[in-house]
This record gives sequence, structure tokens and C-alpha cells, in this order.
Amino acid sequence: NAGVMQNPRHLVRRRGQEARLRCSPMKGHSHVYWYRQLPEEGLKFMVYLQKENIIDESGMPKERFSAEFPKEGPSILRIQQVVRGDSAAYFCASSRTQRETEAFFGQGTRLTVV
Amino acid sequence: AQSVTQPDIHITVSEGASLELRCNYSYGATPYLFWYVQSPGQGLQLLLKYFSGDTLVQGIKGFEAEFKRSQSSFNLRKPSVHWSDAAEYFCAVGPTGAAGNKLTFGGGTRVLVKP
Repeated sequence: NAGVMQNPRHLVRRRGQEARLRCSPMKGHSHVYWYRQLPEEGLKFMVYLQKENIIDESGMPKERFSAEFPKEGPSILRIQQVVRGDSAAYFCASSRTQRETEAFFGQGTRLTVV
Repeated sequence: AQSVTQPDIHITVSEGASLELRCNYSYGATPYLFWYVQSPGQGLQLLLKYFSGDTLVQGIKGFEAEFKRSQSSFNLRKPSVHWSDAAEYFCAVGPTGAAGNKLTFGGGTRVLVKP
């Protein structure tokens, strides 16, 4: 059973471009969580999605950031018009249900904006 | 608002010595508490978790943690450190029964192991 798969592992974008980060949850998991880790900081919650629904996006910046988790395919975190401050590691986690006691994390996507 | 404090940013320990990482939290309700480890360039791996019951929790890789409600602490310990334990360790707190939703992480403690 493969773990949470994130791709790409590393992504370089120029300022103003769009970044698309993908997360495939573990098999049988329908709940996905995105976190951002800025340099030298801990992880910060961004958004919680269930298939086709955003459950909690209280940690998402109001502009330029969006997330989706379609019925088929991976969850996508999209950052439009990236700026240098978006450079960070973005981690995805998944769980089978909301009331699981553990979410499993992927290896992250390291975004560098140049 | 909830918060997690890991007072030690860096800790250096000799191989074979004991290790203790501190974690203090502030949370309005009964928390779920976690310790994760992040090796360089890797994702997070869960070491152990606490929800209720016995306040001394055993985890993987020989780690244990003790929940002390009166001190709002959840310190991680290992009696004898191995070189492979060099990594960054994160304490996290979350709402009861909410899996990965809205976990609040501490800033992390980077552990360096001397031969």
C-alpha cells in the first residue's frame, strides 16, 4: 500500500507564474489536508478537503491560493502569480475518515520562487 | 488560540546518551498530542500520539513521551540515542478526533548526534 504521494518533489517557478502541487492520498483515504512549512518554521495548516468538498480553508491565504480534490484524481494546491514569499515546503496528509487518530504525511513539495 | 512551544531549537547529544525534547502547549479543550520526526528532505513520520489513558506513551524507534496536564507538557524521551536519530522533531496538538485537521505544530527541535 503506497503512502501519500506528492509531486513534484521540487518545483522552481519564476515570480508571476503559477504553481500546481499534486497530492495522491493513501488508498482508501478520502480526506486530505495541506500544510505549509516556511523556512526554519513548523508546519502551518492551510486547508482540509474531502472528495469534491472544501471542509475547512481557514488557513489558506485569501488571494492567489486555491485547492481542490476532485472525485477522480489527486488533490491539487494551486498558487497563482507566485511571489518569493511563497517559497516553502508544502505537505499533504490524508486519512480514511475525519475521526481517524492519525493522518499520514507525504514527503512534500519544495517550491522555490526565483 | 492553541499554540505549541518547543523551547530548544537545536540539541546536540552524543551517541548512546539520553535525549529529552521539551514541548509545551496551550489548548482550550482536551487535546490530541503528537510527536513527528522529519529526516532531511523527507516527510513527517509519526513517532507517537496521546489521546487519553496512561500518560506515558510508547512510540516507535524506542521513543516515549509523558503527558503532564498540570504542566501542559508532552516531553519526548529516548534512553539511548542512535546516529540515525539525527533529524528534526515536531510536537503537535490537534482537536479531539479530527485526524489531520488543524494540527498546530511547534517550531521544531533539530537534533544533532555526535559519534
